[in-house]
Amino acid sequence: EAGVAQSPRYKIIEKRQSVAFWCNPISGHATLYWYQQILGQGPKLLIQFQNNGVVDDSQLPKDRFSAERLKGVDSTLKIQPAKLEDSAVYLCASSHQLQYFGPGTRLTVL
Amino acid sequence: AQRVTQPEKLLSVFKGAPVELKCNYSYSGSPELFWYVQYSRQRLQLLLRHISRESIKGFTADLNKGETSFHLKKPFAQEEDSAMYYCALPSSNDYKLSFGAGTTVTVRA
Repeated sequence: EAGVAQSPRYKIIEKRQSVAFWCNPISGHATLYWYQQILGQGPKLLIQFQNNGVVDDSQLPKDRFSAERLKGVDSTLKIQPAKLEDSAVYLCASSHQLQYFGPGTRLTVL
Repeated sequence: AQRVTQPEKLLSVFKGAPVELKCNYSYSGSPELFWYVQYSRQRLQLLLRHISRESIKGFTADLNKGETSFHLKKPFAQEEDSAMYYCALPSSNDYKLSFGAGTTVTVRA
């Protein structure tokens, strides 16, 4: 089966700019997660969706981050405006029970 | 609050030597724990979960509730084991994962 897809794979922006990441989960997986992985740290959950509803966004910095999963399949994560400390790899995962991860998007904010 | 601690950032061993990656957790209740691995230029993938009690790629991990540990072990390390390893703890009511900071393993010839 096809794995979790993410795009773009790399993104470089300047601080205060906006950026969006896209995720296509494994077909049939109702649950979708976005994680932030800062260099030298483990992945940290930002938001969890069940179909098109948000289950947990307690760790999402809502003043600048937003995410949606309108049709219960693909999801986008947006940062607006970006800060230097947002430089990280953004991982998308989907699950039926166990989580399967995408390749990640490496964001560099200059 | 649940927490996962991996005390070693880096671990270097010679090929054929035993390797042990430490993981300690804090959790109220009966935990289920995972080890994830990320090889160079590959995505994060599940290595093993304690509930399955399997040996994957020669690795085993035993849950020790008394010591709140879930250390990953392999008796004879191979060069292809060089990777980043993460210990992870899912929440009790769904599968949100809390990850440790990870351990980079380098197996030298």
